[in-house]
Amino acid sequence: GESVGLHLPTLSVQEGDNSIINCAYSNSASDYFIWYKQESGKGPQFIIDIRSNMDKRQGQRVTVLLNKTVKHLSLQIAATQPGDSAVYFCAENSGGSNYKLTFGKGTLLTVNP
Amino acid sequence: GAGVSQTPSNKVTEKGKYVELRCDPISGHTALYWYRQSLGQGPEFLIYFQGTGAADDSGLPNDRFFAVRPEGSVSTLKIQRTERGDSAVYLCASSTRTSGEYNEQFFGPGTRLTVL
Repeated sequence: GESVGLHLPTLSVQEGDNSIINCAYSNSASDYFIWYKQESGKGPQFIIDIRSNMDKRQGQRVTVLLNKTVKHLSLQIAATQPGDSAVYFCAENSGGSNYKLTFGKGTLLTVNP
Repeated sequence: GAGVSQTPSNKVTEKGKYVELRCDPISGHTALYWYRQSLGQGPEFLIYFQGTGAADDSGLPNDRFFAVRPEGSVSTLKIQRTERGDSAVYLCASSTRTSGEYNEQFFGPGTRLTVL
């Protein structure tokens, strides 16, 4: 079936560098996308979201970019800190659902001090 | 305020046993969700409640899995005749009422179920 996937399973960066985590989605009917951060032993934590009528959205140190033409989503983290180390998931509202989320596999981000 | 809470945090059981996992949503949230997360994977949708009723249980893997929410607040996920393949982290989330556009889901810490 259609699903969300990630290009890179692991990413290691130096503290202070910028991080980019990528995600490909295949369900063209999905119109809402979310990035979650999950630390060990905790549930997913909302980071930032974007609707399909937008190309870019910025938060505090994070930016999400959406390219609907190639069905690609990315999360950019500026000045990465050790506290950013976690698994990052992209998720889509399955086929435009207002409640069901489909998650990708996840990318493990490790920030080296 | 308090977030979503789940109990127990860890549950170890033997193959064939029955288990119950509890979720306390954020106060006032009418929508509640259960997800299952296997090691190294993203969460997978199991069931969605709007109030007391299961509005969508299409993610439940088979009839050994059942969930209830009798008073529209606390929910219990019940697994009968557990199998080793049921071992996973079971996540609960809640949100304000879903109507129209998607509403943010707030996740609990999960219950780690291990079936020996």
